[in-house]
Amino acid sequence: QKEVEQNSGPLSVPEGAIASLNCTYSDRVSQSFFWYRQYSGKSPELIMSIYSNGDKEDGRFTAQLNKASQYVSLLIRDSQPSDSATYLCAVKKNRGSTLGRLYFGRGTQLTVWP
Amino acid sequence: KAGVTQTPRYLIKTRGQQVTLSCSPISGHRSVSWYQQTPGQGLQFLFEYFSETQRNKGNFPGRFSGRQFSNSRSEMNVSTLELGDSALYLCASSLEQTNTEAFFGQGTRLTVV
Repeated sequence: QKEVEQNSGPLSVPEGAIASLNCTYSDRVSQSFFWYRQYSGKSPELIMSIYSNGDKEDGRFTAQLNKASQYVSLLIRDSQPSDSATYLCAVKKNRGSTLGRLYFGRGTQLTVWP
Repeated sequence: KAGVTQTPRYLIKTRGQQVTLSCSPISGHRSVSWYQQTPGQGLQFLFEYFSETQRNKGNFPGRFSGRQFSNSRSEMNVSTLELGDSALYLCASSLEQTNTEAFFGQGTRLTVV
């Protein structure tokens, strides 16, 4: 079982719509959760971090965490063509021998069309 | 505040050569981790350093090595390069190992010919 799994893409939405990206993780000791955006040929850029259950909003982005279901999601409201990128879900553990390491999903490619 | 700086940005090497990549973390960050990204494999974890000690290592051969200096700057070395080592090498820094955000540098694009 993979540590982090993301819903298969690609995802295509019209401009102005809500894009919903999902991620599940396997290890309950995972305590830090992140969403990165990566444009083609560029490095990942951190857009959201979330550490406790519930929602966290930052501008057009909302991250949702449900530790009981081991589920993290990212909502992008009023999607823009500039949001077209690959979105990577990542987790960090706070116990065990792999502290400091980010576990990544394979990413979901999002296309926002005008 | 300066971000994570990786040098060089681009490298072309010949099979069998060795290469050293450098990463300067954000000031005050003590954890530095390295990742390899290829189109087929996604982001693969190489190793993580904290307080000058390697704390974690991914599933890569011994040709891949690294170190961290007292100022938290880190280097990784790949010896006896193979064609399959062609990839984007990314470095990320965090304030601490846990419960802190990780920020990536721009990466080093390595091409082995």
